[in-house]
Amino acid sequence: NAGVMQNPRHLVRRRGQEARLRCSPMKGHSHVYWYRQLPEEGLKFMVYLQKENIIDESGMPKERFSAEFPKEGPSILRIQQVVRGDSAAYFCASSRLAGIETQYFGPGTRLLVL
Amino acid sequence: GENVEQHPSTLSVQEGDSAVIKCTYSDSASNYFPWYKQELGKRPQLIIDIRSNVGEKKDQRIAVTLNKTAKHFSLHITETQPEDSAVYFCAASSRGATNKLIFGTGTLLAVQP
Repeated sequence: NAGVMQNPRHLVRRRGQEARLRCSPMKGHSHVYWYRQLPEEGLKFMVYLQKENIIDESGMPKERFSAEFPKEGPSILRIQQVVRGDSAAYFCASSRLAGIETQYFGPGTRLLVL
Repeated sequence: GENVEQHPSTLSVQEGDSAVIKCTYSDSASNYFPWYKQELGKRPQLIIDIRSNVGEKKDQRIAVTLNKTAKHFSLHITETQPEDSAVYFCAASSRGATNKLIFGTGTLLAVQP
């Protein structure tokens, strides 16, 4: 039973480029959460999605960031026109149900913006 | 706004001693409190969690206590081992149906052999 999968594990982009981060939840899980971890800081909630729906995007920056979780395929976190301040580790987590449910984390994507 | 404070930020103990990490949350509607362990460059891994209908939960050397009145919860690790060295994060669920987690800032635990 594979855990939460994320790819790529490391991503290097130059300022102004686009970054696409992918997350495949655990088998049987239909709820996905994205968190960002800046160096030596805790995890900050970004967005919560169910299949084909964004449920809570209260932690997403208003510009350049978007997320989707299509009916088929992984969840995608997209960052347009990256800036150096976007450099961070981006983790996704999944849960089986909504409500109070354990969230299992993926290995993260470490984004470095040059 | 929603906030979780975590103390201490660093903790050094001798192997075999106990370690205690404390968290305080602000949202009285929070009802789920997980603890995650994160080793350098790795994913956060759930080590124990507690729901608001209980005051204490134990799993071998790890225990968590919850005081809902004071909005405090704590992680207790007994008989610490070098492999317990990591960053530990507490979290509290946010109000509403989204189950988003509000994380503390982390505690770097170093167990000296």
